[in-house]
Amino acid sequence: SQQGEEDPQALSIQEGENATMNCSYKTSINNLQWYRQNSGRGLVHLILIRSNEREKHSGRLRVTLDTSKKSSSLLITASRAADTASYFCATVYTGGFKTIFGAGTRLFVKA
Amino acid sequence: DTEVTQTPKHLVMGMTNKKSLKCEQHMGHRAMYWYKQKAKKPPELMFVYSYEKLSINESVPSRFSPECPNSSLLNLHLHALQPEDSALYLCASSSHRPSELYEQYFGPGTRLTVT
Repeated sequence: SQQGEEDPQALSIQEGENATMNCSYKTSINNLQWYRQNSGRGLVHLILIRSNEREKHSGRLRVTLDTSKKSSSLLITASRAADTASYFCATVYTGGFKTIFGAGTRLFVKA
Repeated sequence: DTEVTQTPKHLVMGMTNKKSLKCEQHMGHRAMYWYKQKAKKPPELMFVYSYEKLSINESVPSRFSPECPNSSLLNLHLHALQPEDSALYLCASSSHRPSELYEQYFGPGTRLTVT
């Protein structure tokens, strides 16, 4: 069964706007990762945040992690049409390889 | 080389057929994964191999049989599948070292249709 839940399920914004996606999980994690998937193909790793980190930046991406609330958010700033994709959070269980993906957010950026 | 390759890209098979999906990586990763993804759903973990040994089996039906013949290759043997097994099958690999936190590299997937 899935551990992570994401919201919103779908998000439509204009180019240049910021997009925020949220992810919640249920049990202790080693780290949390965000992935992007275009048109039902392979996933591309975006950013990883360790369980002892609270915030991380990579280019136009900002990820936060609140382990007390078991939640994370992904912010994409100054969005572009090329950011149109599905975004998934993935939690890696403490102690192993087991990885569970959230339900995903489908982002549509209008040019 | 950070590429994971999967073959074939598309596969159509009948319920009585036997087929195999293949995955290859040359990043020196010793952990390899199979996921199943239905349309508009997240990937679901099926199997994990660590050092060529099966580490995780997420209660997958026996009609799916994984194999890891060496550190670069991962196969998924398919037999007597059902139409509901139609999905995108994704392979991934990651470092086996906990310090590298298991960031996964995915292949493009095999789109399987069972008729």
